[in-house]
Amino acid sequence: NAGVTQTPKFRVLKTGQSMTLLCAQDMNHEYMYWYRQDPGMGLRLIHYSVGEGTTAKGEVPDGYNVSRLKKQNFLLGLESAAPSQTSVYFCASTADETAKLRQYFGPGTRLTVT
Amino acid sequence: AQKVTQAQTEISVVEKEDVTLDCVYETRDTTYYLFWYKQPPSGELVFLIRRNSFDEQNEISGRYSWNFQKSTSSFNFTITASQVVDSAVYFCALSEAYRDDKIIFGKGTRLHILP
Repeated sequence: NAGVTQTPKFRVLKTGQSMTLLCAQDMNHEYMYWYRQDPGMGLRLIHYSVGEGTTAKGEVPDGYNVSRLKKQNFLLGLESAAPSQTSVYFCASTADETAKLRQYFGPGTRLTVT
Repeated sequence: AQKVTQAQTEISVVEKEDVTLDCVYETRDTTYYLFWYKQPPSGELVFLIRRNSFDEQNEISGRYSWNFQKSTSSFNFTITASQVVDSAVYFCALSEAYRDDKIIFGKGTRLHILP
């Protein structure tokens, strides 16, 4: 049981390049989330999904897109990377159909945009 | 509005001292859930505790204890006899019952335990 995995673990992009971060969970969780963590800012929600085929905006969605084509996968895309998107990105999922329960986090992806 | 405040940005204590991390929250809902997560230097996020708004009993787990006080909207976390391995960033978080699709995290408190 791998839990929540994220691919890749590290990435360096040049301004304007695009990339997709993959989050996968094998716990059959309904809810999935993408956060970014910046120094002194805590965890900020980018986008989330309450089920397969659904997505919603979080606190800081600009510059990102997401897709949840399969229940187990949640993709985060950067169409044109900017230095302001340098951050550590965490994916999380929640058992059951609510966010009232604990979130299971992936190991994080460290992204640097130069 | 939903808000979590961790006023202590960074704390340093000497090993074996007790330390309390503060968490103050704001919510319009009467039913809500509070969490603490730990992020050690390795970077992963570790779940510590979940508490619902109807359960005001304090909780103890080994050297860890949590004090939930609805009257002051606080959910403080105490580490007794701290150890170097407790060095981490600790996050408090809130989920409201009427908005069951996400939780809000505080900005975290970085705890240094000095040997």
